[in-house]
Amino acid sequence: GESVGLHLPTLSVQEGDNSIINCAYSNSASDYFIWYKQESGKGPQFIIDIRSNMDKRQGQRVTVLLNKTVKHLSLQIAATQPGDSAVYFCAENNQFYFGTGTSLTVIP
Amino acid sequence: DTAVSQTPKYLVTQMGNDKSIKCEQNLGHDTMYWYKQDSKKFLKIMFSYNNKELIINETVPNRFSPKSPDKAHLNLHINSLELGDSAVYFCASSRVRGGGTGELFFGEGSRLTVL
Repeated sequence: GESVGLHLPTLSVQEGDNSIINCAYSNSASDYFIWYKQESGKGPQFIIDIRSNMDKRQGQRVTVLLNKTVKHLSLQIAATQPGDSAVYFCAENNQFYFGTGTSLTVIP
Repeated sequence: DTAVSQTPKYLVTQMGNDKSIKCEQNLGHDTMYWYKQDSKKFLKIMFSYNNKELIINETVPNRFSPKSPDKAHLNLHINSLELGDSAVYFCASSRVRGGGTGELFFGEGSRLTVL
C-alpha cells in the first residue's frame, strides 16, 4: 500500500518568499526519493531526486533535504514565482503511489 | 514534439460502455505505465509494461485491459464502465524497468467521465 504522504494538502506563499513542502515516508528500506510538479491540466513533471546516501541535493532554485532518521524529506523552492503554483508530489523507490500531493499557491 | 502523447484528452461516456485510451512515446523507452488520478488528486499506478511484456498489475479489475502492440505504444481498454472509473488516466514511460528508480515521463492525461 501507499507509504508516502505529504504533510499539508495546501500551501500559500508570497511571491519571492521561499517555499517548503514536506513529505513523510514509512519504509525505512526506501533508498530513492523523487519529486514531481503537476500544473493544472498537465501530467506530473520531474523536479529533482535524491538517493539515501545523500542528505541534500540542489537543483535550479530547488533543494531536496532527506532526513532518514525521522523518515522525512522536504522540497525547498527559493524565491517562489507564480509559475511555481502547482501540486507537488513526492514518491519513493518504485513510484507506485504518489499520495495526494501539496497544492502550492503563489500570491503575487 | 510531445514525448508522451495520449488520446483522447477528454472522454465522456455512459455507464456500461467500453472505451479505449491510446498512448505513444517517442523517447525510445522500454517501459510504459498507466496511472490513475482520482478527484482528490491521489495518483497511483495501474500497470507497467516492459518491452511489450506486462510486469506490474496493481490489483486492477479485469475490466481494464492494457495492450502493448510495440514498446512505443501502450493502450488501455476499459469494459463495462462504472461511475467509479471517472478519473484522469496518465500514461508514462521510463528508461528503467518498471518498479525501478529514475524519472518517469508523463503524458498530459485523459480525463474520463462516466455518467
